[in-house]
This record gives sequence, structure tokens and C-alpha cells, in this order.
Amino acid sequence: QVQLVESGGGVVQPGGSLRLSCAASGFTFSSYGMHWVRQAPGKGLEWVAFIRYDGSNKYYADSVKGRFTISRDNSKNTLYLQMNSLRAEDTAVYYCAKDSRPHEAASYYFDYWGQGTLVTVSS
Amino acid sequence: AIRMTQSPSSFSASTGDRVTITCRASQGISSYLAWYQQKPGKAPKLLIYAASTLQSGVPSRFSGSGSGTDFTLTISCLQSEDFATYYCQQYYSYPPVLTFGGGTKVEIK
Repeated sequence: QVQLVESGGGVVQPGGSLRLSCAASGFTFSSYGMHWVRQAPGKGLEWVAFIRYDGSNKYYADSVKGRFTISRDNSKNTLYLQMNSLRAEDTAVYYCAKDSRPHEAASYYFDYWGQGTLVTVSS
Repeated sequence: AIRMTQSPSSFSASTGDRVTITCRASQGISSYLAWYQQKPGKAPKLLIYAASTLQSGVPSRFSGSGSGTDFTLTISCLQSEDFATYYCQQYYSYPPVLTFGGGTKVEIK
């Protein structure tokens, strides 16, 4: 069965950095694009970033562009999100999510989600 | 970016009720719309994609309709496990700038 397990969340000061990881299993990770989606406490969902199955293309929400970097290691079945210049408004639960279709046929909606990892940006 | 507006933001209903949630896009998105269910403290779960296609394993009491700018999610006979928050998401724009509606919380009357 598909499993996505996020880690790396925690408390960080404004301006700081954090790297999130998402360990994937139960499917051919190297065949699927992957996303990060976040949810601020008590708020709705916000898409953050997408990376193609082979890592060749990456897309970001305007709110994180230039500060966050999505990457993947297909040999380790792991997705990453490097977050720099963190702000209070980046405080959220961060979910990794699997795209529903493989390879170039990416659908840009999410059929499996991890349980999330909480990032708190506070002094 | 395409804005997605859901209505209502919350409402109360009883088990057995037929409920409808509306999602409106700020511009036409054809049928590039998905619906998710989220329970407190849990990750969202995909219910419907392509506006009306039921995800495998989702009960048939859930249905979706619409195209262009106006969409609905209907639960034909509300069950206790359906009390949750529902989100729509458009995936029309390319390069992808994916956006969600603000959510609709379905509470027990």
C-alpha cells in the first residue's frame, strides 16, 4: 500500500531554514510527480510546490518562490523541501502528496497524502 | 491565479440528509476539478476528480457535477462518517498553479 511519511518539522526562528523529507513506499516513486501542500493552523489547504517524476521540472506557489526548493532522490525514494528565509506565515502542517498519474501524464491532483509534519516559525 | 470560492463555508445537517456543496472558479477550468474530504487531525482524502469521476473505494453516495466555472459535490444520504471539511481544487492552469477553495465544514445538527 502507498505510504508517505514526512519528517523534519519543528520550531525555527524567523529567517531560519529547515529541510523536510518525505519517505515514499508502496509504489514506483521514480514514476510519479510529487507535491508539497501546506495547511496553516485552523486554515485551508495551500499548494506549495511540484516536482516532475524525473526532477527535470519544478513549479512553486508565488508565496514561496525564491525561498523554498523542492527536490527528490529517486534512489532513496525520498522527496525533500528546503525552506529558507522562513516567515511566521510559513507556520503550517506540511503534507507531501503523490500525483495521480505517472510520467509525463501528471494530473496535478493528489491521490495519496502523508500524515504531515508541523513547521512553526516563531521567535 | 485562479480563485476558487466554496459555499457555504459551514452548515449543519443530519444523518440521512442530502447535502450539496458549491465551488465556483474565477475563470473557466473545464472539468479540471477535484474534491477532497478532511477530518480533524488527518490528511485530506481524494473523493472525486475530473469534476465527476469517483475515486476508487469512495462510496457511491458521493457525486460531483459541473464544468466551466460552477461545480457541486453532493452527498446523497449523509452518514456519520461524512461529517468533515470538504475542499475543491482546480488543476486547470499550466504551468501548474494549483488552488483550493476555502473549505466547507459539514457539522452535525
